[in-house]
Amino acid sequence: DAEITQSPRHKITETGRQVTLACHQTWNHNNMFWYRQDLGHGLRLIHYSYGVHDTNKGEVSDGYSVSRSNTEDLPLTLESAASSQTSVYFCASRDTEAGTVYFGPGTRLTVT
Amino acid sequence: EDQVTQSPEALRLQEGESSSLNCSYTVSGLRGLFWYRQDPGKGPEFLFTLYSAGEEKEKERLKATLTKKESFLHITAPKPEDSATYLCAVQGSGGYQKVTFGTGTKLQVIP
Repeated sequence: DAEITQSPRHKITETGRQVTLACHQTWNHNNMFWYRQDLGHGLRLIHYSYGVHDTNKGEVSDGYSVSRSNTEDLPLTLESAASSQTSVYFCASRDTEAGTVYFGPGTRLTVT
Repeated sequence: EDQVTQSPEALRLQEGESSSLNCSYTVSGLRGLFWYRQDPGKGPEFLFTLYSAGEEKEKERLKATLTKKESFLHITAPKPEDSATYLCAVQGSGGYQKVTFGTGTKLQVIP
């Protein structure tokens, strides 16, 4: 069965370190997204990609970057982790024909 | 700026006690309203997309309806396994990157 996976599921890192969160989907969807989820806020869009080599900033992109070298993967990099980036991160991909969005299981990131 | 407000924040129901969750929204040019279910420690799971006022969709004990200002998620005779957080989101003009999410309603169904 097709799926979307994220790794690691949990990560603790120190302020100032570079961190990369992986996202992999097997649907061959062109549209992929990264969100963060924090108490009191709805899911907020960090970056998105509509195809290979296409990347775009979302609502809360400062301090984050993504790259899209193939259809399946959209890694999210925190250039220099800050405590404000402690959050749960969700990757998603979208079936543009059906309009259905599939979310990954999430990565809980703690920056100390 | 698009906005989504969900109410109540939390809802506790007895098994079999029907109720409704509310999603009020303001958006320029509604392209779609989405409902998701999120279980603890998991990613949101897609439930429904509604596109225009008057539209209704059903899945098992859930029924979603849409007006020009709000959407309701009706839960009929809920079971404990319906316990989850239900998220509402709206897509305004532009692509799916323009989706705005609400903060959710946490539903607990007690046996």
